[in-house]
Amino acid sequence: DGGITQSPKYLFRKEGQNVTLSCEQNLNHDAMYWYRQDPGQGLRLIYYSQIVNDFQKGDIAEGYSVSREKKESFPLTVTSAQKNPTAFYLCASREGSQYSVYGYTFGSGTRLTVV
Amino acid sequence: DQQVKQNSPSLSVQEGRISILNCDYTNSMFDYFLWYKKYPAEGPTFLISISSIKDKNEDGRFTVFLNKSAKHLSLHIVPSQPGDSAVYFCAASANNNDMRFGAGTRLTVKP
Repeated sequence: DGGITQSPKYLFRKEGQNVTLSCEQNLNHDAMYWYRQDPGQGLRLIYYSQIVNDFQKGDIAEGYSVSREKKESFPLTVTSAQKNPTAFYLCASREGSQYSVYGYTFGSGTRLTVV
Repeated sequence: DQQVKQNSPSLSVQEGRISILNCDYTNSMFDYFLWYKKYPAEGPTFLISISSIKDKNEDGRFTVFLNKSAKHLSLHIVPSQPGDSAVYFCAASANNNDMRFGAGTRLTVKP
């Protein structure tokens, strides 16, 4: 079955540490996205990538970094510079430059907690 | 700057009745709108969409209405079922660019 896999599902990080969240898709989608969900604030865009080896900052990119070395993979690193990293992180993908009527396909998310 | 707004954080309805979830947007360039359903600790799943060239799209129990002049869309669920209880996100995009999401509305359908 095609889909997006995010791992781990739960992640605990000590203050001052960097941590990387994994996102892998086998849908052959070109575009991939990282969102953050906080209570009462919906989904906010962190970074997105339309093609391999290219990515752009979203609305809240500070304290995060990404890479897109392979079409299937779009890992997100939460750095120690991110002031409030505790949140639910969602990865999504979309095929090509045409609208999919279904919009994005989302992974099941990673809940990151800073302890 | 929140371009997509869902002003009701929660909604409770009785099973069998109609659920109406509302969404407002500010960006007149938005040309595609979607509703997603989300259960706790899971990613959102697509529910229904509408292009700006239409004012209504229906899929089974779910209907989305778009009022472009008011920059408003709504999702109607009828009849509502307990399994519909979830958080519903409204989303919009312009010119095939990245999507903007509302804050979500938690729907509770009581048996």
